[in-house]
Amino acid sequence: AQSVTQPDIHITVSEGASLELRCNYSYGATPYLFWYVQSPGQGLQLLLKYFSGDTLVQGIKGFEAEFKRSQSSFNLRKPSVHWSDAAEYFCAVVLSYNTDKLIFGTGTRLQVFP
Amino acid sequence: GAGVSQSPRYKVAKRGQDVALRCDPISGHVSLFWYQQALGQGPEFLTYFQNEAQLDKSGLPSDRFFAERPEGSVSTLKIQRTQQEDSAVYLCASSLRGGLVVNEQFFGPGTRLTVL
Repeated sequence: AQSVTQPDIHITVSEGASLELRCNYSYGATPYLFWYVQSPGQGLQLLLKYFSGDTLVQGIKGFEAEFKRSQSSFNLRKPSVHWSDAAEYFCAVVLSYNTDKLIFGTGTRLQVFP
Repeated sequence: GAGVSQSPRYKVAKRGQDVALRCDPISGHVSLFWYQQALGQGPEFLTYFQNEAQLDKSGLPSDRFFAERPEGSVSTLKIQRTQQEDSAVYLCASSLRGGLVVNEQFFGPGTRLTVL
């Protein structure tokens, strides 16, 4: 079935440690790819997106993501996590510009210990 | 306003009641989306408007769900005869334009609906 998969439901890291959140998709063609962050009581905020071109994309708050076509993956990374990064992270895709509707993964909850 | 706003932020309804959820998109944004986010899940698409036209309502779970955007700005999501499984956060998003490009969607804070 076509889907967006985030295999890690919950990740805990220490402040200052590096972070990688995994995302895989299963669609015939490469979709448009996004990472969103959702903090408690706040709306979803776009971290970064990939449409085409350079497969390593930079986003806000020091995040980056790498698109790997061979693995159908779009993993999110940050070299040094801050306590304020604790939140829920969602990978999402858009299949067609005709509707722009986002298809989300189930999310990864990030907990940061001091 | 500066961002997408939604009201009310919280709504408690008794099973069988009708509810109406409002979304005020960013001024000038052509596209408007509604998503439903159940507890512990990612948001799921409900419906999409381009101006006042509802171009995609494939995600509406039943005919009890109805959305409108009569003047191409404010939108209302109405749920009739609410059921417990309707309990969720309802997110609204808007983007600058539709057409031949994929645009960033800006999300509101959501309305948390609890059906007792």
